[in-house]
Amino acid sequence: DTGVSQNPRHKITKRGQNVTFRCDPISEHNRLYWYRQTLGQGPEFLTYFQNEAQLEKSRLLSDRFSAERPKGSFSTLEIQRTEQGDSAMYLCASSLVVLTGRIDEQYFGPGTRLTVT
Amino acid sequence: EDQVTQSPEALRLQEGESSSLNCSYTVSGLRGLFWYRQDPGKGPEFLFTLYSAGEEKEKERLKATLTKKESFLHITAPKPEDSATYLCAGQGSQGGSEKLVFGKGTKLTVNP
Repeated sequence: DTGVSQNPRHKITKRGQNVTFRCDPISEHNRLYWYRQTLGQGPEFLTYFQNEAQLEKSRLLSDRFSAERPKGSFSTLEIQRTEQGDSAMYLCASSLVVLTGRIDEQYFGPGTRLTVT
Repeated sequence: EDQVTQSPEALRLQEGESSSLNCSYTVSGLRGLFWYRQDPGKGPEFLFTLYSAGEEKEKERLKATLTKKESFLHITAPKPEDSATYLCAGQGSQGGSEKLVFGKGTKLTVNP
């Protein structure tokens, strides 16, 4: 399977703990996106990378959240001092953009469901 | 601020009963309008990209159309396996943002 993969698929943690999620994009894709989705809502943008550079961050991305894509391949999203409001599905998407400003079709992974108790 | 609104929130059809889902958007400098399908507990699955008003795209029983204010996803003679949540998203050009702005989705149930 050459699609976007995410690990773990499910994570249950206690309030105040730190968690880290991993995303492996489609191999030739240069852009990687993180979104968050809560029940009954559409995905909400968090941040995106082009290669290893983080180019855009949402206001939703508080200082407890940090994302990295160190070698321009896989990415990690860390949440520090988790809160119950962080419970959601965290989705990763990737795309291939050849020219800046052109449309990129984003392909999503299966998501990591986080439950904070 | 960019906004995407989908209606209805939920739609229940009998197998073979055609219908349409609506996506209204206010996205500054729309560069693309996307449709995704999402099954429970899974990530969104890409269906279509529409770039300009008047454009249409088809895939099996689905046809997506785009006007300057709305997009429609027409479902012809649906089958139970078409049951899913259908998400609409816009990508604008304001401020150089590359994010997709999603609607809340339409949950479609097709009964046999």
